[in-house]
Amino acid sequence: RKEVEQDPGPFNVPEGATVAFNCTYSNSASQSFFWYRQDCRKEPKLLMSVYSSGNEDGRFTAQLNRASQYISLLIRDSKLSDSATYLCVVAHNDMRFGAGTRLTVKP
Amino acid sequence: ETGVTQSPTHLIKTRGQQVTLRCSSQSGHNTVSWYQQALGQGPQFIFQYYREEENGRGNFPPRFSGLQFPNYSSELNVNALELDDSALYLCASSPGEGGEEKLFFGSGTQLSVL
Repeated sequence: RKEVEQDPGPFNVPEGATVAFNCTYSNSASQSFFWYRQDCRKEPKLLMSVYSSGNEDGRFTAQLNRASQYISLLIRDSKLSDSATYLCVVAHNDMRFGAGTRLTVKP
Repeated sequence: ETGVTQSPTHLIKTRGQQVTLRCSSQSGHNTVSWYQQALGQGPQFIFQYYREEENGRGNFPPRFSGLQFPNYSSELNVNALELDDSALYLCASSPGEGGEEKLFFGSGTQLSVL
């Protein structure tokens, strides 16, 4: 079983749609969780941290379920500029990345 | 504030050769991590350095080695290159002892092994 698993997609959605990404992790001792965004062949950039109580940043909402070892990212009112690969990251002594979920937002 | 910089940006080597990739961490950051990202995959953790000591390693063979210098810059060395080593190599720095803090990435070195 992979340490961090994500649905690879691709997700193709129209502008204004709501889209959700899921991620599961295998190490129950993991302590920190993040979502990163990566544009085509560029470096990953931090989108948001994920907290146990769930957190929101504008159109983006992240949630964590420690019991199920599950993380989610919800994007509301999708914009063309949201097109990218979204990487789930789980940390326990070091940071481990999922394979990423590719999102394309179309006009 | 200077971000993470990597050199070179692109590199072409042949199988069996050795390569050294370099990284300067963001000002004030003393932890450096290296990742390998193959096309269509997520970044795979190679190893991490904190204050010049390796303090974490992923599932990579010993021919992948590294160094961190007193100014917190770092090198990744790969010996006996194989075709499967072709990938984007990413360096990331973080401010603390590392491991569970936000990572700030350089733009990477694209390595092609022929």
